Amino acid sequence: KNQVEQSPQSLIILEGKNCTLQCNYTVSPFSNLRWYKQDTGRGPVSLTIMTFSENTKSNGRYTATLDADTKQSSLHITASQLSDSASYICVVYGGATNKLIFGTGTLLAVQP
Amino acid sequence: NAGVTQTPKFRVLKTGQSMTLLCAQDMNHEYMYWYRQDPGMGLRLIHYSVGEGTTAKGEVPDGYNVSRLKKQNFLLGLESAAPSQTSVYFCASSYSGLRLYNEQFFGPGTRLTVL
Repeated sequence: KNQVEQSPQSLIILEGKNCTLQCNYTVSPFSNLRWYKQDTGRGPVSLTIMTFSENTKSNGRYTATLDADTKQSSLHITASQLSDSASYICVVYGGATNKLIFGTGTLLAVQP
Repeated sequence: NAGVTQTPKFRVLKTGQSMTLLCAQDMNHEYMYWYRQDPGMGLRLIHYSVGEGTTAKGEVPDGYNVSRLKKQNFLLGLESAAPSQTSVYFCASSYSGLRLYNEQFFGPGTRLTVL
């Protein structure tokens, strides 16, 4: 079964600290993986896309990695800010019928 | 550009009532989607459309109907609301469904409560 699992479910860090969010998937065949950021009360917004051939991609303080062999992705946030408080959702595109499969998200709280 | 907009933002219904949620996008996207988001669950696809005049069922279509009469609009209807349909509904659009062009742009959501 095509699934996307994220860990941890929730995370609290202090402002200025770094953190890493994990995404494991069983989707096959794999096409691409996106990380979305969802602020409270808003719709998700795409942060980055990872394709099969990409290992690392950065978007400002956000760095995504992909290991297609182990079917794992991570999102690293550097020097966290209060505005990073949000839910981060991993979405994998693939499967026999090419569908988008959503993870349940990691809720990040950055405290001053 | 407004992007993706949704109307209304909040709504409270009684069991058995009907309503329509409106989604509009001004990015000339071909694909549009309706999702529901419940606590502890990922976004679940209700219905989607790959172009004007087309609709297709997603993962959880029961109890919902949709229409895409105009390219920029995608309507989600609840004919007889049930408490199980209490959720936050998101509309999204994308340029296409092809793998590198399937970034979805989401609306702000509609919070629906069915009593």
